[in-house]
Amino acid sequence: DAGVIQSPRHEVTEMGQEVTLRCKPISGHDYLFWYRQTMMRGLELLIYFNNNVPIDDSGMPEDRFSAKMPNASFSTLKIQPSEPRDSAVYFCASSFRTSYGYTFGSGTRLTVV
Amino acid sequence: GQQLNQSPQSMFIQEGEDVSMNCTSSSIFNTWLWYKQEPGEGPVLLIALYKAGELTSNGRLTAQFGITRKDSFLNISASIPSDVGIYFCAGQGWGGADGLTFGKGTHLIIQP
Repeated sequence: DAGVIQSPRHEVTEMGQEVTLRCKPISGHDYLFWYRQTMMRGLELLIYFNNNVPIDDSGMPEDRFSAKMPNASFSTLKIQPSEPRDSAVYFCASSFRTSYGYTFGSGTRLTVV
Repeated sequence: GQQLNQSPQSMFIQEGEDVSMNCTSSSIFNTWLWYKQEPGEGPVLLIALYKAGELTSNGRLTAQFGITRKDSFLNISASIPSDVGIYFCAGQGWGGADGLTFGKGTHLIIQP
């Protein structure tokens, strides 16, 4: 099992540019979560999907953030336009029925300059 | 929203010492989880707890789900250098439909 795969591992972009983060969950998992990690706020849940359907996006900070899951094996988190305060590590995690703990990817470290 | 208070924020210990950290919540959780994060990686699940009062071990790690459902602790016995990292508690509400709420983490540093 390859685990949860995120790309890119690192992204440096200029303020105002569009950023797209990608995630491939573990095959067979029916839940997918996007988290953001910063020193100040720790791990924050942004949005999660169940069977490709967004269930709760109340953690998405602003309309600049959007997430999609077009099929069971792929999800994207998009920031448009990006701002320096979006700099953080973004994690994708997947699970089977949410009751057995999540498996996290290695994260994407985003730096907006 | 739900909040988790994790303590201590950091620990500086000698190799071989035992470690104890805990989490308290302002609300009741149905599940408590403990994760470890190493530099440049995502959190990795160590122990999952599903019933109040449950005591579970994973090698040198022991965790308990508090009777009140509002707290949990993690103990590490006889620490070794590879235990270094950030340990997070996480709680999940009833129904399992909510995403996990994470504590701010405990930085464990082991001095030779």
